[in-house]
Amino acid sequence: GAGVSQSPRYKVAKRGQDVALRCDPISGHVSLFWYQQALGQGPEFLTYFQNEAQLDKSGLPSDRFFAERPEGSVSTLKIQRTQQEDSAVYLCASIPGRAGGTDTQYFGPGTRLTVL
Amino acid sequence: SQQGEEDPQALSIQEGENATMNCSYKTSINNLQWYRQNSGRGLVHLILIRSNEREKHSGRLRVTLDTSKKSSSLLITASRAADTASYFCATDPSGGSNYKLTFGKGTLLTVNP
Repeated sequence: GAGVSQSPRYKVAKRGQDVALRCDPISGHVSLFWYQQALGQGPEFLTYFQNEAQLDKSGLPSDRFFAERPEGSVSTLKIQRTQQEDSAVYLCASIPGRAGGTDTQYFGPGTRLTVL
Repeated sequence: SQQGEEDPQALSIQEGENATMNCSYKTSINNLQWYRQNSGRGLVHLILIRSNEREKHSGRLRVTLDTSKKSSSLLITASRAADTASYFCATDPSGGSNYKLTFGKGTLLTVNP
């Protein structure tokens, strides 16, 4: 398919485990975003990549959260020592060029993380 | 933190009726966007309105923006069961970091057949 894909779609982790969430943006898209969506809330910005450069990570809630995009395409969001408050849907979005505010962001289906 | 606040939080209507959702925000913006999210799915972009626009139409959608009141409304006319979803407004701040969309909590719309 031509859309943004994310894997796994569902992840259950025991508290304290590390998890890795993958995002495959639309081919050729320069910019990639990660959002966290808690139950009953809207998405909240986590981090932004332009190609392989992480230009903004101001939304990452703690140093347990780490994101990378080493080759400027696929991105991985890693959460170390998961806590129950990390339970949420993690959404990835991409846009064709550099982010400039008028862009339509194309979202993936999300990964629902449940920490027990 | 959430920038926008949608109301109502939930709305239930009959097929064929119109649905109106409102969004209020706090800071100056460049643009305001509306997204739809079906249960268990990602967000789909519906429409973008710039800060210097007052009204915009797209198919059955009509969006208004009042920057003096920092509010926007989304009207869906002649609703269909397939319109059942959560609707979010998202703003990007004027000035720097204008890529950083800030979403409201959303309105859950249920259209009954």
